[in-house]
Amino acid sequence: GNSVTQMEGPVTLSEEAFLTINCTYTATGYPSLFWYVQYPGEGLQLLLKATKADDKGSNKGFEATYRKETTSFHLEKGSVQVSDSAVYFCALILTGGFKTIFGAGTRLFVKA
Amino acid sequence: SAVISQKPSRDICQRGTSLTIQCQVDSQVTMMFWYRQQPGQSLTLIATANQGSEATYESGFVIDKFPISRPNLTFSTLTVSNMSPEDSSIYLCSVVGGLTEAFFGQGTRLTVV
Repeated sequence: GNSVTQMEGPVTLSEEAFLTINCTYTATGYPSLFWYVQYPGEGLQLLLKATKADDKGSNKGFEATYRKETTSFHLEKGSVQVSDSAVYFCALILTGGFKTIFGAGTRLFVKA
Repeated sequence: SAVISQKPSRDICQRGTSLTIQCQVDSQVTMMFWYRQQPGQSLTLIATANQGSEATYESGFVIDKFPISRPNLTFSTLTVSNMSPEDSSIYLCSVVGGLTEAFFGQGTRLTVV
């Protein structure tokens, strides 16, 4: 079936450290891939997206590249800030399917 | 993009009662989705609400517990019926627009006591 697997958290980093959160997927067809962020006490916000292989999504210093050969969409940021502390969800939507499938979420703590 | 308004934003309810959550979208959409996020967990799809037909429920969710209305293309409600503490969660409304991008409401944080 279709699924998303992301690395377990929590991930704890110091400010200005490099961040990688791994995400791999299993899907029939060609999904669109997303990273969503949920700040404490808030709803879900789209962070970035990629709709086809080799696309790179980027926003607020975060990047992720759609790798079809490895079925991956890893999230990276070169220098994290305390304000990046949140839960990050990797997700996919199948073409024409509309239903969003989420990974389990990875909680990130950034220490000053 | 789509702007989704959800009401209420939070509520504390007594067990055995029901709560109806409203979702209003600023544009017409064919399908609306209801998700549940239990504490510390990911999002789980409850059902897909189509205008003019019955909602389609995912495995583990039933209409008697989570009745859904979809009276028009911009509005839907989800009712959590006969609540128990296990129903304490965040409930989110979602639509898909543009290039298959999902948009979410701010969620309804429900606590059942």
